[in-house]
Amino acid sequence: EPEVTQTPSHQVTQMGQEVILRCVPISNHLYFYWYRQILGQKVEFLVSFYNNEISEKSEIFDDQFSVERPDGSNFTLKIRSTKLEDSAMYFCASRLETQYFGPGTRLLVL
Amino acid sequence: AQSVAQPEDQVNVAEGNPLTVKCTYSVSGNPYLFWYVQYPNRGLQFLLKYITGDNLVKGSYGFEAEFNKSQTSFHLKKPSALVSDSALYFCAVSRGTGGGNKLTFGTGTQLKVEL
Repeated sequence: EPEVTQTPSHQVTQMGQEVILRCVPISNHLYFYWYRQILGQKVEFLVSFYNNEISEKSEIFDDQFSVERPDGSNFTLKIRSTKLEDSAMYFCASRLETQYFGPGTRLLVL
Repeated sequence: AQSVAQPEDQVNVAEGNPLTVKCTYSVSGNPYLFWYVQYPNRGLQFLLKYITGDNLVKGSYGFEAEFNKSQTSFHLKKPSALVSDSALYFCAVSRGTGGGNKLTFGTGTQLKVEL
């Protein structure tokens, strides 16, 4: 059964550094998403992406964040200058009709 | 704006007994409703969804959910709980398949099934 995959599973970085989180969506899916889950809190929407452009973004998704689908298979989330409060589990999702989620990347900013 | 409420942080049930995990929602227009389950250190796993049609929807692992428009609820149920059902359950809503179709999640309900 096809799955959404994400790399790395864990990432530790220093405050102010750039990080890139990678996702490989399910191959025939057309819509792509990033969500995050701060420890002990609910899952929050960050951004949706369709037809090579952002279709919707939340207030969390400020200028420090960007998304890209560089090669038709990968879908990336870049955080330009990480802050302590960016520490969270980041989930990628893709869909035709139903969103399927990847296993997540746990990001720790020190 | 769309929102989801899961009023119970934790639900405890004995194995073999029926379980219910509650969810109410608020959204403009017709809701698309979902249940996901999260096992420790794992991603969100899709269980079932309501889009239109029959108010009782059946999903994976014997779970079902009933859409009640007048009560704006979408409670998750299972006739006979298993210890392996113990996990964190999230209810989610979206406005439909148009546009970005973002999911808004509830805070989650920890289900604990005991022998």
